[in-house]
Amino acid sequence: EDQVTQSPEALRLQEGESSSLNCSYTVSGLRGLFWYRQDPGKGPEFLFTLYSAGEEKEKERLKATLTKKESFLHITAPKPEDSATYLCAVQAYTGNQFYFGTGTSLTVIP
Amino acid sequence: KAGVTQTPRYLIKTRGQQVTLSCSPISGHRSVSWYQQTPGQGLQFLFEYFSETQRNKGNFPGRFSGRQFSNSRSEMNVSTLELGDSALYLCASSVTGTAGNTIYFGEGSWLTVV
Repeated sequence: EDQVTQSPEALRLQEGESSSLNCSYTVSGLRGLFWYRQDPGKGPEFLFTLYSAGEEKEKERLKATLTKKESFLHITAPKPEDSATYLCAVQAYTGNQFYFGTGTSLTVIP
Repeated sequence: KAGVTQTPRYLIKTRGQQVTLSCSPISGHRSVSWYQQTPGQGLQFLFEYFSETQRNKGNFPGRFSGRQFSNSRSEMNVSTLELGDSALYLCASSVTGTAGNTIYFGEGSWLTVV
């Protein structure tokens, strides 16, 4: 069964303290792995799509990487405005359906 | 370019009633999918429509239904509401919905069942 697990559930960082969020997955033929950011009371905002192991994508302080079993979202020198829930999702070759993890709630303290 | 638009944003319904939620996708996007988000379960896939046809369906009871119109706008309906249906309902659109296509979300409709 296709499954996505994110860890940790919650993370508190001091401003400037770099860290990584983990997304491990099992899927029968990965077509894409997606990262979203969700602010309270809002819909998820698209960040990155990764398609194959070894691929990396960057945007400002965020960098996403992908292996055959997991993805990492690295946050370098985070700022308070990076506080949000980060969601990971996978899409299999069959069915087109997205499977989401339950997210990592990130709080960056000034 | 306008994003995905969902209406209404907030609504309160009584147990046993029904509710209809609306979604207008990004212009040019023909695939619309619906998700239910609750604190305990995260995002759960409801169904996906493309060219007015339901292509995929999640594991939800028949009380949850949807449709898509010729202009790609979509509606979802929940009949005989239960307390457990209280959730954020999210609509997402993509160009074709095929594997690898990114989906973009609206702000969601907050449903509270009392």
